[in-house]
Amino acid sequence: DAGVIQSPRHEVTEMGQEVTLRCKPISGHNSLFWYRQTMMRGLELLIYFNNNVPIDDSGMPEDRFSAKMPNASFSTLKIQPSEPRDSAVYFCASSSLGTKKLFFGSGTQLSVL
Amino acid sequence: DQQVKQNSPSLSVQEGRISILNCDYTNSMFDYFLWYKKYPAEGPTFLISISSIKDKNEDGRFTVFLNKSAKHLSLHIVPSQPGDSAVYFCAASASGTYKYIFGTGTRLKVLA
Repeated sequence: DAGVIQSPRHEVTEMGQEVTLRCKPISGHNSLFWYRQTMMRGLELLIYFNNNVPIDDSGMPEDRFSAKMPNASFSTLKIQPSEPRDSAVYFCASSSLGTKKLFFGSGTQLSVL
Repeated sequence: DQQVKQNSPSLSVQEGRISILNCDYTNSMFDYFLWYKKYPAEGPTFLISISSIKDKNEDGRFTVFLNKSAKHLSLHIVPSQPGDSAVYFCAASASGTYKYIFGTGTRLKVLA
């Protein structure tokens, strides 16, 4: 299995631009999570989906952030407009009901200038 | 409000000695706990877990201890090896949810 696949690995953009991060979960996993890693807050949960349905988006910092999961094999996290304080590493993770553990992708390093 | 806290940002240990990483939580509904290890430029990888019905779980050189009354868990690595140098995250979840709350991480450096 290829594991959780995230793209791009690195994204550099200018303030005000739209940013879209992509994730392909492990086949057969029915839960998907978006996390953001910062020095101050560690791994911060932004949103998670169960069977493609958003269950808890209370961690999404502002309306500038949105996430979708149109099908079981694809999810996006969009920031519009982006700001310098959004600079962080964004991780996607997936899991299945029986495993009780998360499998993470390699992350997207986002830099907003 | 941080529901899962790792108060030591970093720890240095000599090779062959014991590494002890600590984690505290505030939510009494948490009943399942995990430790993840993260190398630079990689995603976190699962290391070991423990359910609240136990107070200890062991896997090779790694042991996790849970003290429910103190809302505290710790990860012991014995003996520590240079390859164990990484950032370690503690995570917690409550029954009936799939929400995993992570701490801020502890950077472990094992000196050869």
